[in-house]
Amino acid sequence: IAGITQAPTSQILAAGRRMTLRCTQDMRHNAMYWYRQDLGLGLRLIHYSNTAGTTGKGEVPDGYSVSRANTDDFPLTLASAVPSQTSVYFCASSEEGETGELFFGEGSRLTVL
Amino acid sequence: GQNIDQPTEMTATEGAIVQINCTYQTSGFNGLFWYQQHAGEAPTFLSYNVLDGLEEKGRFSSFLSRSKGYSYLLLKELQMKDSASYLCAVMDSNYQLIWGAGTKLIIKP
Repeated sequence: IAGITQAPTSQILAAGRRMTLRCTQDMRHNAMYWYRQDLGLGLRLIHYSNTAGTTGKGEVPDGYSVSRANTDDFPLTLASAVPSQTSVYFCASSEEGETGELFFGEGSRLTVL
Repeated sequence: GQNIDQPTEMTATEGAIVQINCTYQTSGFNGLFWYQQHAGEAPTFLSYNVLDGLEEKGRFSSFLSRSKGYSYLLLKELQMKDSASYLCAVMDSNYQLIWGAGTKLIIKP
């Protein structure tokens, strides 16, 4: 089934550890995004990529990095996790980039202790 | 600053009609989206409005007034499966999506 796959679905992590959230899509979409969702707040964009080989910073990029080596994969790395990064992380993609409908992965629930 | 306002929670009865409002103040406007998100799941696309007026799609309709910075999502013939959060998002002049916190809709039998 075509779509976006995220891994892991859930993770508990000690503060200070490095963590990579994986995201793979098989829809050949050019644009990909990482969001975090926290209770009482709207989705907040962390990083995005309009096409393979390019990335950009969103609203809340600090403490996170991304890479886009190919069209399908867009991993998000926390270099040194802190408790404030406890959240649900969603990867998304869109065909048209700036104006297209977003397709979301099922989310990765991360708890940093 | 940029802001999207929508009610935190609403309750409605199965079979009834409910209207979820969204007001926005953004730097420019390039369209408004509505997404549905069931608890513990990913958001899924419902509608996109860029021109004023009503867009109807089955039991769901979405309305936009750009001059008033206002949109609503209308859900008819409510079903229990419509219990979910409904997210309003506006694309600003830089084509960045600004998201509201979502409206949790509770459907009672």
